[in-house]
Amino acid sequence: SQTIHQWPATLVQPVGSPLSLECTVEGTSNPNLYWYRQAAGRGLQLLFYSVGIGQISSEVPQNLSASRPQDRQFILSSKKLLLSDSGFYLCAWKRAGINSPLHFGNGTRLTVT
Amino acid sequence: SQQGEEDPQALSIQEGENATMNCSYKTSINNLQWYRQNSGRGLVHLILIRSNEREKHSGRLRVTLDTSKKSSSLLITASRAADTASYFCATDPLLSGGSNYKLTFGKGTLLTVNP
Repeated sequence: SQTIHQWPATLVQPVGSPLSLECTVEGTSNPNLYWYRQAAGRGLQLLFYSVGIGQISSEVPQNLSASRPQDRQFILSSKKLLLSDSGFYLCAWKRAGINSPLHFGNGTRLTVT
Repeated sequence: SQQGEEDPQALSIQEGENATMNCSYKTSINNLQWYRQNSGRGLVHLILIRSNEREKHSGRLRVTLDTSKKSSSLLITASRAADTASYFCATDPLLSGGSNYKLTFGKGTLLTVNP
């Protein structure tokens, strides 16, 4: 069976500090990978998605970047955090092709102080 | 941009009652999906209905899809306190070129089931 690991679960970082959130998937190969952000009381905003190693598509221009150094590893980064980067970050994967659902990690609660 | 919009934003019912949540969307889709999110957790996929399907069942869940009205509904029958969660619809847009990488989520319906 497939599993997705996302860490850390919570993170408190000062403004201007760097960020690295990691997500790994087990039990499948060549998944589509996603980073979403969820603000309080709002829906999910797609930040980045990747359909293969080194292939990153950005949906929203902002202070964040993503990388996929290995097939089942997806990393969300920032060089300098802003207060507005606070939120709940969710990694997800799906099988390539249509009509396949997303499978989410448990999320990272990021608070920028 | 958000494609799906759930209605109502919040719903409070008693245990044993049925809960109905609606979703409207704007563009043509490959499929529509419903997800559940417990507070502070990731989303869990509940059910996927394809654009050529009109109704789908999974346990106590019933989903309908009306592509002419661009709307879907999620019915939870005989609700339980454990059903308390936020429920989101997500649409897989039918895009030119066949791209099917992106799901767009609504803001969700917060369902509270009182014991």
